[in-house]
Amino acid sequence: EDQVTQSPEALRLQEGESSSLNCSYTVSGLRGLFWYRQDPGKGPEFLFTLYSAGEEKEKERLKATLTKKESFLHITAPKPEDSATYLCAVQADYGGSQGNLIFGKGTKLSVKP
Amino acid sequence: EPEVTQTPSHQVTQMGQEVILRCVPISNHLYFYWYRQILGQKVEFLVSFYNNEISEKSEIFDDQFSVERPDGSNFTLKIRSTKLEDSAMYFCASYLGAGGTDTQYFGPGTRLTVL
Repeated sequence: EDQVTQSPEALRLQEGESSSLNCSYTVSGLRGLFWYRQDPGKGPEFLFTLYSAGEEKEKERLKATLTKKESFLHITAPKPEDSATYLCAVQADYGGSQGNLIFGKGTKLSVKP
Repeated sequence: EPEVTQTPSHQVTQMGQEVILRCVPISNHLYFYWYRQILGQKVEFLVSFYNNEISEKSEIFDDQFSVERPDGSNFTLKIRSTKLEDSAMYFCASYLGAGGTDTQYFGPGTRLTVL
């Protein structure tokens, strides 16, 4: 069964304290791995797509990396406005580029000033 | 920047009533999706829609659910007879299709409360 597990469930950081969020996955052929940010009561907001092991993407204080079994979202010198739930999702090969996303439960990040 | 919109933002209904949730996908996108998120749980796939028909659906999407694209802009999810366990956030998403990025863009959601 295709599955996504994210850890930790919650993470509290001080402003400026760098850390990483983990997303491990099992899927019968990975087409793509997606990171989204979700603010309370809002829809997921797209951050990154990764396709193959070794790939990295960066945006401001965020960097996403991918291996054959997991992805990391590194947050460098976070600010309070980075507080949100970060969702990881995979898309399986068999569905093609239009296939559905399989989500993890997310990591709730709180950054204190 | 184009975005997916959803109405209403919050819907309260009585058990057994029919509800219709509405979405306007990004205008040139070809694939449309409904997902739901029960409070504190994962975002779960319900159904995908392309070329005026369902392309894929999950086990959750039973006979009580239906989708429709009644005109060139709206995409709707109907729940015929709501149950307490249908209470959740419902998200619409759209995807451009082949030749574009692979990203599914999500709307802000409709919070459905079944009493």
